Amino acid sequence: DGGITQSPKYLFRKEGQNVTLSCEQNLNHDAMYWYRQDPGQGLRLIYYSQIVNDFQKGDIAEGYSVSREKKESFPLTVTSAQKNPTAFYLCASSDGAGGNQPQHFGDGTRLSIL
Amino acid sequence: GNSVTQMEGPVTLSEEAFLTINCTYTATGYPSLFWYVQYPGEGLQLLLKATKADDKGSNKGFEATYRKETTSFHLEKGSVQVSDSAVYFCATPGYSSASKIIFGSGTRLSIRP
Repeated sequence: DGGITQSPKYLFRKEGQNVTLSCEQNLNHDAMYWYRQDPGQGLRLIYYSQIVNDFQKGDIAEGYSVSREKKESFPLTVTSAQKNPTAFYLCASSDGAGGNQPQHFGDGTRLSIL
Repeated sequence: GNSVTQMEGPVTLSEEAFLTINCTYTATGYPSLFWYVQYPGEGLQLLLKATKADDKGSNKGFEATYRKETTSFHLEKGSVQVSDSAVYFCATPGYSSASKIIFGSGTRLSIRP
């Protein structure tokens, strides 16, 4: 079955450490997204990519970085500059350009601070 | 840009009750409208969508009608079950030139047996 795989499911970060969250999709979708969800709140867009080797900042990009070297992969790095990284991180993808296409989500990675 | 506003939760109902979760939108033109559902500890799943005015999306007993007169896309279900307990998000494209989707703040629904 096609879908989006996020790993790991749980991740712990030490102070001053960068951590990378993995997102892989086998849906052959062009666009991919990273969202942050805090307890009891909605989704905030961190970064998105509409095509390989190109990505744009979302609403809360500070302290995060991404790459899109392959169509199926869109890893997110949470850097030490992100002072409040504890959250639930969701990766999504959609087919084609334009927001009229629905997004497909992975099961998320929960990041906590040690 | 486009936006959606949905009713705040939490909403608590008894099993077999009628459900309505309100969502209104502000948009240029007539973009698609979506309802997503998030079960505990999981990502979001597309529940239903409508792509133009007067369309009705439906899935798993849930329905929503795209009403341009009232700029609304309210989610309804005639008889809820305990398994419907989840967070529901209304959503619409940010604007036509990008792939962004704007999500509402989410409404937490709890169903009592």
